[in-house]
Amino acid sequence: DGGITQSPKYLFRKEGQNVTLSCEQNLNHDAMYWYRQDPGQGLRLIYYSQIVNDFQKGDIAEGYSVSREKKESFPLTVTSAQKNPTAFYLCASSWTVNTEAFFGQGTRLTVV
Amino acid sequence: DAKTTQPPSMDCAEGRAANLPCNHSTISGNEYVYWYRQIHSQGPQYIIHGLKNNETNEMASLIITEDRKSSTLILPHATLRDTAVYYCIVKGSGANSKLTFGKGITLSVRP
Repeated sequence: DGGITQSPKYLFRKEGQNVTLSCEQNLNHDAMYWYRQDPGQGLRLIYYSQIVNDFQKGDIAEGYSVSREKKESFPLTVTSAQKNPTAFYLCASSWTVNTEAFFGQGTRLTVV
Repeated sequence: DAKTTQPPSMDCAEGRAANLPCNHSTISGNEYVYWYRQIHSQGPQYIIHGLKNNETNEMASLIITEDRKSSTLILPHATLRDTAVYYCIVKGSGANSKLTFGKGITLSVRP
């Protein structure tokens, strides 16, 4: 069953802790993305990767880090430096940055 | 800055066509118009995209005006499952071009 898998669906963490969100795709896509969505708002780009071992900052990268060691995986770490980490996080992938992107079902992170 | 303007909401009756408008008056010649939708608490779903010609697929039709300053997404026979937020996005084709989501338009399909 091909697609993009984000896990877990819901995640709770205490303030001050780093947390890593998982994103795996088996579509053989080169490009992968992380977005953040706050209630009633559109999606904002955190980081994207055009190819393995390469990634670029998006519009709101502060307080986040990523790695792209494997083509199929693009984990996002929300660090303690992120001031407002509670949000809905969405991962996406595409053949290239110039083709349509396909999204996972998201991880809802709550920091208390 | 948002490159597109969409009304905040609209509704239509089940079984009727839903016509969702989008203005993109500053679109450049190499920029595409993309449409995605997001059902509550799910990831966005790609619908369709086009450059200047009208496009149709199994989900919808995209009508782009001749001057490319506006477009309309048409869902030919709306169902209750089409209730969602629909995003109209203008995106270039360069390596640094990205999908930038605005607030979209909330479509409510009524029985």
